[in-house]
Amino acid sequence: GEDVEQSLFLSVREGDSSVINCTYTDSSSTYLYWYKQEPGAGLQLLTYIFSNMDMKQDQRLTVLLNKKDKHLSLRIADTQTGDSAIYFCAEGSYIPTFGRGTSLIVHP
Amino acid sequence: DGGITQSPKYLFRKEGQNVTLSCEQNLNHDAMYWYRQDPGQGLRLIYYSQIVNDFQKGDIAEGYSVSREKKESFPLTVTSAQKNPTAFYLCASSMGGKGTGELFFGEGSRLTVL
Repeated sequence: GEDVEQSLFLSVREGDSSVINCTYTDSSSTYLYWYKQEPGAGLQLLTYIFSNMDMKQDQRLTVLLNKKDKHLSLRIADTQTGDSAIYFCAEGSYIPTFGRGTSLIVHP
Repeated sequence: DGGITQSPKYLFRKEGQNVTLSCEQNLNHDAMYWYRQDPGQGLRLIYYSQIVNDFQKGDIAEGYSVSREKKESFPLTVTSAQKNPTAFYLCASSMGGKGTGELFFGEGSRLTVL
């Protein structure tokens, strides 16, 4: 069945890069997504990548996709305290399946 | 402003009572979804609707019911049959099979059973 796996926690120092990893099982997904959730709020789309791409860069965000290994990563450069949130990986273009979310903690 | 609105933001319920969570969108989206979020468990799909007057069960539909009488509205009823209803509930909408599949989420409703 479909499944999305990601680690639950990541702690980084302010100014460092953060890398959040995700593995997925559905190779037919057209798009793969990263969502961000701030405390007590809904999710917002951070970025997405089309399945025929290897990399997508958007300002401080870099998404890498390895289709062979079904591995997706999100790199946040120069991580700030405002980046502290839960980050969800998701696959599936119509009824997305979400990972459990990675809590990113940024400390001074 | 276009968006998706959930209400109430906080809700307390006694055991044995049904409660209804509201979800309204003005994005003209065809598809709407309800997810449940528990700590450490991510998002689990309760129900989804692709079009008015039609909806499908998700992974954890037992103890919940929905209706989709209008395109803009997709209310969720948490019935007394739901064994562990305390959770954070998220409603979302999307363009369905068109576009990139991005989901637009509401701010969530936190239900606590006393």
